[in-house]
Amino acid sequence: DTEVTQTPKHLVMGMTNKKSLKCEQHMGHRAMYWYKQKAKKPPELMFVYSYEKLSINESVPSRFSPECPNSSLLNLHLHALQPEDSALYLCASSQEEGPYSNQPQHFGDGTRLSIL
Amino acid sequence: GENVEQHPSTLSVQEGDSAVIKCTYSDSASNYFPWYKQELGKRPQLIIDIRSNVGEKKDQRIAVTLNKTAKHFSLHITETQPEDSAVYFCAAGPSGNTGKLIFGQGTTLQVKP
Repeated sequence: DTEVTQTPKHLVMGMTNKKSLKCEQHMGHRAMYWYKQKAKKPPELMFVYSYEKLSINESVPSRFSPECPNSSLLNLHLHALQPEDSALYLCASSQEEGPYSNQPQHFGDGTRLSIL
Repeated sequence: GENVEQHPSTLSVQEGDSAVIKCTYSDSASNYFPWYKQELGKRPQLIIDIRSNVGEKKDQRIAVTLNKTAKHFSLHITETQPEDSAVYFCAAGPSGNTGKLIFGQGTTLQVKP
């Protein structure tokens, strides 16, 4: 069973739409991550929240906007996306994050996003 | 910047044979090395990890070895089965002054029955 839950599983949207991806974990983890993954490529880090504060933004375009309402929830708001943004978006969580952290990251099943 | 190189990119073995995937990392401060298995259309699943205070870790048919001096670590799968077919990613972290994991490019393993 997946301990990190992502919704929706699939999303098709036009370039002018606004949508949100949601992620939830109940493992008491204090770090949550958004990754983008293209087929047969490694996950590419987008954002990291640590103790509900944004700690890493990997120079992601502003059409992607993360939000962490509480320690269990992570959202990714999407607006005016481009066709090249079509990918699998993965959420992950870990006990903590930081330069001295060596905790495993657990991934959700992802949202497969298609931009028309 | 920090980098993890993974080889080979594809690997085909007969059922029952062993498979070895190798990774090299650049950041000497890295002390955590997980391996993920990703089946087609599914999430990356953590299968084994090792921390820098040990040189080897084993879990049934899977083992990981770490050589900190050479900055190499490897995944060993024995008695391979068709269900081992997947893409395998190595990773190293923390990276720099963050907790980031740096992933290798992945190895597509095919186990032929």
